[in-house]
Amino acid sequence: KAGVTQTPRYLIKTRGQQVTLSCSPISGHRSVSWYQQTPGQGLQFLFEYFSETQRNKGNFPGRFSGRQFSNSRSEMNVSTLELGDSALYLCASRPAGGQGETEAFFGQGTRLTVV
Amino acid sequence: GDSVTQMEGPVTLSEEAFLTINCTYTATGYPSLFWYVQYPGEGLQLLLKATKADDKGSNKGFEATYRKETTSFHLEKGSVQVSDSAVYFCALSGDTGRRALTFGSGTRLQVQP
Repeated sequence: KAGVTQTPRYLIKTRGQQVTLSCSPISGHRSVSWYQQTPGQGLQFLFEYFSETQRNKGNFPGRFSGRQFSNSRSEMNVSTLELGDSALYLCASRPAGGQGETEAFFGQGTRLTVV
Repeated sequence: GDSVTQMEGPVTLSEEAFLTINCTYTATGYPSLFWYVQYPGEGLQLLLKATKADDKGSNKGFEATYRKETTSFHLEKGSVQVSDSAVYFCALSGDTGRRALTFGSGTRLQVQP
């Protein structure tokens, strides 16, 4: 069974630009979550999608947005990039439904560098 | 809100030494508790989990027990190997409506031969 796939693995963008990151969850998983990892703030939750609906959102500005498609693939978008957005962005998928005890499977992440 | 506190690193040990990484949490209700491991250049992998009080999670020689009375979930391993060198994250997930993972700051483990 293929794992969680994130593309691209590395990105370099300029301040003010926008970027779109992609995540393909494990086949059959309908929940996709996004996390930002930085040396200063650690791992922080961005948002969770389930069946194309955002069902939970972290404390990030509106420049961060996401969506989920009918095949459960998800994208996140960051507009008007700032230097502080440089981070490893991790996507995690969970089986359909489930409570908090179900395991989240993580992708390898997309390393975004803003210059 | 929910929070997780884990010991600062790096933790440097010799091969075959005993490992303990402390983790305490603050949460309402009955969260599920996890330890994730991150190897260089990789995403997170689940190491073990426990979903209710007094549960013991174990995997690859690592163990952690869910202690509700002390709100702790300390990670232990009796004999570490060089291949265990990585960053370890303690995390919790709430019940319905609070499924997002809340992570501790991570503890880097370095095992020397």
